[in-house]
Amino acid sequence: AQTVTQSQPEMSVQEAETVTLSCTYDTSENNYYLFWYKQPPSRQMILVIRQEAYKQQNATENRFSVNFQKAAKSFSLKISDSQLGDTAMYFCAFIPNFGNEKLTFGTGTRLTIIP
Amino acid sequence: DAGVIQSPRHEVTEMGQEVTLRCKPISGHNSLFWYRQTMMRGLELLIYFNNNVPIDDSGMPEDRFSAKMPNASFSTLKIQPSEPRDSAVYFCASSPDRAGQETQYFGPGTRLLVL
Repeated sequence: AQTVTQSQPEMSVQEAETVTLSCTYDTSENNYYLFWYKQPPSRQMILVIRQEAYKQQNATENRFSVNFQKAAKSFSLKISDSQLGDTAMYFCAFIPNFGNEKLTFGTGTRLTIIP
Repeated sequence: DAGVIQSPRHEVTEMGQEVTLRCKPISGHNSLFWYRQTMMRGLELLIYFNNNVPIDDSGMPEDRFSAKMPNASFSTLKIQPSEPRDSAVYFCASSPDRAGQETQYFGPGTRLLVL
């Protein structure tokens, strides 16, 4: 079974700073997808970024980028120039690239951006 | 696109009553997922459908829970009878691909409180 671990339950940074959220996962699969979802106080789950394991290039979406280390099974999220609207719970998630497998979520990191 | 639509957004009911949650997936998506989120257990996948057929319902907690997808544009999650421990946020998500290897897009959730 796959597991996803987010070791930082809570983090806080000053507005405009850069912050990195960590995520590690455990799997025996070689092909899979990784995601970061954001859940603001509104409770809506919003996709932040997606990474395909067979792509070595790290995914980026504007101020959001990942550091994907396949050998280390690590998938951290970097938020640059953090904004107040980035305050949210962030969930890392994993799914293998075959079969009837479920999306496995980590326990989340609560990020607070301080004005 | 309107995104995944869920109704109601909030539901307060008394123990023993029947509760029906509704979901309209994004048009053209083949897979639909029902999740439950609680503080204690995090995000749990309850059931998912592919092409309107239930594929994996191993996450459904017990016989009080049932889900249907009569057509590609509508699904229901029913709890009968409801209990206080069912209080949670219930999310519906849809994906264009089987088993959600492509991105899962979440609805806004239904916040259920069972008194």
